[in-house]
Amino acid sequence: GQQVMQIPQYQHVQEGEDFTTYCNSSTTLSNIQWYKQRPGGHPVFLIQLVKSGEVKKQKRLTFQFGEAKKNSSLHITATQTTDVGTYFCAGPSQGGAGNMLTFGGGTRLMVKP
Amino acid sequence: DTAVSQTPKYLVTQMGNDKSIKCEQNLGHDTMYWYKQDSKKFLKIMFSYNNKELIINETVPNRFSPKSPDKAHLNLHINSLELGDSAVYFCASSQKAAQYFGPGTRLTVT
Repeated sequence: GQQVMQIPQYQHVQEGEDFTTYCNSSTTLSNIQWYKQRPGGHPVFLIQLVKSGEVKKQKRLTFQFGEAKKNSSLHITATQTTDVGTYFCAGPSQGGAGNMLTFGGGTRLMVKP
Repeated sequence: DTAVSQTPKYLVTQMGNDKSIKCEQNLGHDTMYWYKQDSKKFLKIMFSYNNKELIINETVPNRFSPKSPDKAHLNLHINSLELGDSAVYFCASSQKAAQYFGPGTRLTVT
């Protein structure tokens, strides 16, 4: 079945350092979504990428969709303590039926002030 | 106003019991979902429900059943609870791509 993997699992950074999480799918994706879950909270939608090679920015966050539409990355510039949380990528599962998503395992970001 | 709400927030019960978790969304979305998040934070889709069409993740035991009394609600019923059912269960809804998650229900089976 479809697998979505993320690396690293955990990342400790000093405040002000950059951070990147990578997402890889075993199958080609029609789109990829990114979510952030704060400790004790629920996943919150960040963005969707649809086009091959697409790059989108949200302030200090840069999202990229690979040319083959099987991988994606999220890069945070100059991390802040408010960036703490787990970042998940997700792609359509079961052929996209019912808009169901398969989530990656997440990357947990910890920021030292 | 809370967009997606779930009750209860915490649920502690014994093995073998039957329990329900309620979910309501006031966003007017057409599709609702249930996810299970285990202790390692893995998020797994369980069900998708849209206009009476139910799509089930084949790995979900048939002890789990969603019930939708109307478009704004998708409740989760669990029969014969097992220790392995302990997890956080999230309800979500969507109209297009973005899924909006509820605050979660932490289920502990003893």
